[in-house]
Parts: sequence; C-alpha cells; structure tokens
Amino acid sequence: DTGVSQDPRHKITKRGQNVTFRCDPISEHNRLYWYRQTLGQGPEFLTYFQNEAQLEKSRLLSDRFSAERPKGSFSTLEIQRTEQGDSAMYLCASSPPRVPSPSYTFGSGTRLTVV
Amino acid sequence: DQQVKQNSPSLSVQEGRISILNCDYTNSMFDYFLWYKKYPAEGPTFLISISSIKDKNEDGRFTVFLNKSAKHLSLHIVPSQPGDSAVYFCAASYIGAGSYQLTFGKGTKLSVIP
Repeated sequence: DTGVSQDPRHKITKRGQNVTFRCDPISEHNRLYWYRQTLGQGPEFLTYFQNEAQLEKSRLLSDRFSAERPKGSFSTLEIQRTEQGDSAMYLCASSPPRVPSPSYTFGSGTRLTVV
Repeated sequence: DQQVKQNSPSLSVQEGRISILNCDYTNSMFDYFLWYKKYPAEGPTFLISISSIKDKNEDGRFTVFLNKSAKHLSLHIVPSQPGDSAVYFCAASYIGAGSYQLTFGKGTKLSVIP
C-alpha cells in the first residue's frame, strides 16, 4: 500500500458545475478525514468518518458539500453548484483504529480551480 | 477567531544552526499538539507530537516543547539541514472529547540556507 491516494490531482471547473473527488485511504485505516486548504492558510477540517459513519462535520461544510464513505473504504467529496470561493486544495487523510493520537497520513490533495 | 496561531510567516536559518518555530493557542481544552511539514505539491507529513501531560518530546533532530501556562509550543530543529526547507504547520486537537479534528495554524515557511 502506497499511502493515501486522491483523484484527480487537479480539477478546473466552471462556476455552477458539480465536481466530485475521490480518496482511497490506507487499507487498514478505518478513520478518514477531509480538509480544505486555501492559499496562505492551514488546512481546515471539513468532515470525519469512522468506517462508513460520518461522525463529525464542520459548519464550513455547506449544504452544497456532501461526503460519503459507502463501504468504509474509499470516500467521495462532492461539491454542487461550485463557486469561486470553493477554489482550494482538498486534502484527504486517514488514520488507523485504536491509536489515541490523531497523527494522520495525508494524501497529496486535489487542487480545485473554479473559473 | 484563530485558535492556533503561527505569527512568523517565514524563517531563514543557516545550515547547521538551530531552527525554532513557534506556535500559540487560545483554546485551553486542546490536549494534543502536532507539527506537520509540507513540501510544495504534497500533503502535510506528520513530524512530531506532544500530549498536554508532557512538556517536551524528542525525536532525533526534532524537539517539541510545550508551555501550557503560556499556551505556547515550539519546535526545535538541530542541526538544520537544507532538506528541512518546507512549510511547518502547528496543529492541535481535543482528543479527550473523542474528537480527532485538528485545528491548524497558518504555517511558517522555513528556509535553510546552505
């Protein structure tokens, strides 16, 4: 296993279009997280899954955003009716079970540009 | 309201010298702190962490110090190497509440000059 994989690496979309990103975590990791990073800022938490259950959700995650992890393996993050303010790096991370420390492994991210 | 602050956007250090990166936090509920390193076009990589019950943690060239009363932590890199040039993020979590959500600072860009 080569780590957390995210697809695509880059996405350019027109305002108003829908986009979907995929994250494949490390196979034995049951916890999966989505973060968003804009220029000059640190990553901001969006949502967290333990297996298939979405346990935490930031208020940053407006109703245009939805995340799923249907079988507790890969996850998708969909943004509907994209806006220019959605332009950012979307980072996925995962961590193993029964580890008290939240030291995740991050993927390389999907860079979204909304034009 | 920014709960984790890294007030130095950038830092330049000569190779072989000590790099000290600082981080302040405002939420006294935070009980676990981490440092991540990020190279361009890559995701952040975990570097070192410290629990609030400790005041120091070492891993090779990297040492993190925590001053709970001042709500301040620092990362020391000794000796600094050119490969350490990256953006360093401080992050905090409240795992005592069962949350694994991390709150990050804005980062400090470290440049190690050969």
